[in-house]
Amino acid sequence: ETGVTQSPTHLIKTRGQQVTLRCSSQSGHNTVSWYQQALGQGPQFIFQYYREEENGRGNFPPRFSGLQFPNYSSELNVNALELDDSALYLCASSQTGVYGYTFGSGTRLTVV
Amino acid sequence: KNEVEQSPQNLTAQEGEFITINCSYSVGISALHWLQQHPGGGIVSLFMLSSGKKKHGRLIATINIQEKHSSLHITASHPRDSAVYICAVIGGTDKLIFGTGTRLQVFP
Repeated sequence: ETGVTQSPTHLIKTRGQQVTLRCSSQSGHNTVSWYQQALGQGPQFIFQYYREEENGRGNFPPRFSGLQFPNYSSELNVNALELDDSALYLCASSQTGVYGYTFGSGTRLTVV
Repeated sequence: KNEVEQSPQNLTAQEGEFITINCSYSVGISALHWLQQHPGGGIVSLFMLSSGKKKHGRLIATINIQEKHSSLHITASHPRDSAVYICAVIGGTDKLIFGTGTRLQVFP
């Protein structure tokens, strides 16, 4: 079985730009969650997607948006990047009703 | 106050020492994860438990649902155990709520 793959692994963007991060879920998993981890902090929940719809959202502004595709892979889009958006973005997949999560290695985003 | 609290925040040990990391939570949960994060950022799930105790090699995890507390123990610690250990609970909405992590350094 494949794990969770995130791309790219590292990214540098300029303030005001837009970015798209990608995540492929583990085989058999239908739910994808995205988390933001600032340096020295624990991950913070951004949102979760199930059956191609947003299924819960944390305290993040609307410029953070996402998509889930029929193959359960997902994208995280961030518009109008701010310096504080610099963080590690983690994706985790799971199967609804089963509580195990599989994490990707993350995308480290730096906004300059 | 965070819904998931870990202690200590930082931990230094000599190789061979027995290590305990604690996690307390204030919400109802269906399960709890202990996660390991290495400097590169990737997270590995060590345990998922909803009651009792689990053991894998030198790692032991326990949970007391009534007291809303879990512990991760590492026996005979080794420098390769150096990492950040994160407790994450699965709350009522099936979402993970993370603690801020415990940074462990084991010296030879």
